[in-house]
Order: sequence, then structure tokens, then C-alpha cells
Amino acid sequence: DIQMTQSPSSLSASVGDRVTITCQASQDITNYLNWYQQKPGKAPKLLIYDASNLQTGVPSRFSGSGSGTDFTFTISSLQPEDIATYYCQQYDSFPYTFGQGTNLDIK
Amino acid sequence: EVQLVETGGGLIQPGGSLRLSCAASGFTVSSNYMSWVRQAPGKGLEWVSILYSGGFTYYADSVEGRFTISRDNSKNTLYLQMNSLRAEDTALYYCARDMGRAVAGSFDYWGQGTLVTVSS
Repeated sequence: DIQMTQSPSSLSASVGDRVTITCQASQDITNYLNWYQQKPGKAPKLLIYDASNLQTGVPSRFSGSGSGTDFTFTISSLQPEDIATYYCQQYDSFPYTFGQGTNLDIK
Repeated sequence: EVQLVETGGGLIQPGGSLRLSCAASGFTVSSNYMSWVRQAPGKGLEWVSILYSGGFTYYADSVEGRFTISRDNSKNTLYLQMNSLRAEDTALYYCARDMGRAVAGSFDYWGQGTLVTVSS
């Protein structure tokens, strides 16, 4: 199975800050990587697919980059409503696997 | 509007069986790749199974041989039959729709989840 390692596991930042989360795959997954946002008590929401494509309706402050084994998720200017847990997920091969999540809160 | 509504969760003893349902509206289940994803209490996300529009299925190793994914086209509903349940199967089970691209694995719509608790 492909292991997805996210860092950090938790993060505190101020409104307006630039926030970056990284995700490393245990083997080359080309660009078959998604980023999801999960707010407490809610289902996950797809933000980024194919490593860097913004899902329809998602604010442009969210972005993704990377290929191969190393990927980055960025919020350019943190907003209060961005408080959530963020997950990366690979779909290069079965079984699909998720990172362990990054809990983001406001400082 | 796309909607997914899961039902069928509950408290079940170890070794028991349960069938989860995911009723879809706003799109046709049989025309899309559909997955089940679960989340143990306070934990991260774990992909469980996928059903392709053409009928191909795949399972996580942890459920292979115990769980079966299927659909009823007439009811536009996805199912997950879970047998030989274990304590470690305790989780909130989500059904999720794939984006509809040739490459599966990106889930653009999710249900609200149904909770399965395996305990004696």
C-alpha cells in the first residue's frame, strides 16, 4: 500500500496568514493526489484534485502543487471559516489511501 | 441537486452482519463510480471499497472477503453488506460519488454518514 505522510499534524495560524501543509507519498503517484477539508461533524469536501486543480466553487485562496512523491497544499490568506482538518489522498493505485490529517485552528 | 443519504448503521455484536444503504438523488448511481469511506471515532479517513459503473469492485485489505459492495439500479441505491464484523470496523461510514472522470478516486459528493458500532 502507498503510505501518505502529512505534516504538520496540527497547526495554529492567524487570520490572514499563509498556511502550508505537505504530503509525501511512499512511492511515485505522479499527480494522482486530492486534498479534502473536513469540518467538525461534517463530511469531507473535495478542494483540490490532480494535485493542483481547484474544484468548482472552491475559493481561489486554496491551491495545491507537486508531483511524484512530494505535494504541498496552501491557503494564501487564512480565513476563520477555514478551521478544519485537511487530508491528502492518493488515487494512483488501490487501495486509495489518505494522510493522517492536519488539524488547523486559529491562533 | 446531488444528494446521498446513508442508512442502516447501528449497534451490532462482533461476528454479526449489517447492510448499509446509500440512496442517491440528482444523478444515476449506475453511471458513476461509487465508493464507501469510513472514519473511526476521532480518527482519519479510510477508503473501504469501490464499485465501478461497469461492475468492477475493489476492497481494502481490511475488509476483503467480509464486505460486499453492490447497487440496485431500480432504486438508485448503493449498498455495503458487512459480515463477520469486528470491533475495529466501528466507524462512521460515508458513501461518496466519484467525479465522473476516466480516472477514479476523487470524491466530489459525500453523504452525511451512518454510524456502525461493533460491540458486545
